[in-house]
Amino acid sequence: EIVMTQSPASLSVSPGARATLSCRASQSVGSNLAWYQQKPGQAPRLLIYAASTRPTGVPARFSGSGSGTEFTLTITSLQSEDFAVYYCQQYNKWPPLTFGGGTKVEIK
Amino acid sequence: EVQLLESGGGLVQPGGSLRLSCAASGFTFSSYAMSWVRQAPGKGLEWVSTISASGGTTYYPDSVKGRFTISRDNSKNTLYLQMNSLRAEDTAVYYCTGGFNWFDYWGLGTLVPVSS
Repeated sequence: EIVMTQSPASLSVSPGARATLSCRASQSVGSNLAWYQQKPGQAPRLLIYAASTRPTGVPARFSGSGSGTEFTLTITSLQSEDFAVYYCQQYNKWPPLTFGGGTKVEIK
Repeated sequence: EVQLLESGGGLVQPGGSLRLSCAASGFTFSSYAMSWVRQAPGKGLEWVSTISASGGTTYYPDSVKGRFTISRDNSKNTLYLQMNSLRAEDTAVYYCTGGFNWFDYWGLGTLVPVSS
């Protein structure tokens, strides 16, 4: 099973600032990585797939990068609606599909 | 607009069974692999099961294999999850999702507490 580790567990960021979230895989997953955003009381929402591809409707301030075992989600110019928990998920080798433990982005 | 509406959740005793349903609309259901993902209270996301678009292939993690069964009825645009031999650790919100490798669409979820 591929273990996904996210860091930091929580991040305090001022509105308008940049946030950088990390995700590490226990073995290479190529570019087979997705990111999700979950706001309190809501279902998760797909932000990124194939490590760096945004689905239609996801704002350009969200960007993904990386390959192999190291990945980054960058949120430029944080808006109030971006304060949430973010999860990474690998789909290179499954079952099982595996998620990271999440990073909570909080208002500073 | 894509909609996934789960139903069937509720309190169940350990060892009991429950069947979740998910009514899909707004996309070509029969062309889409579907999955269930769960989230224990205050915890992260855990993949539960995936079924191919035709229903011919299913996938499970070891944690639910042999106890849970995913199925679908493409004539009714509905996804199911039959859960047997439920344990306290199965307590979670269960989300119906559209997707095979990643999850494009998500329902609002249905809560399944397993407790005596």
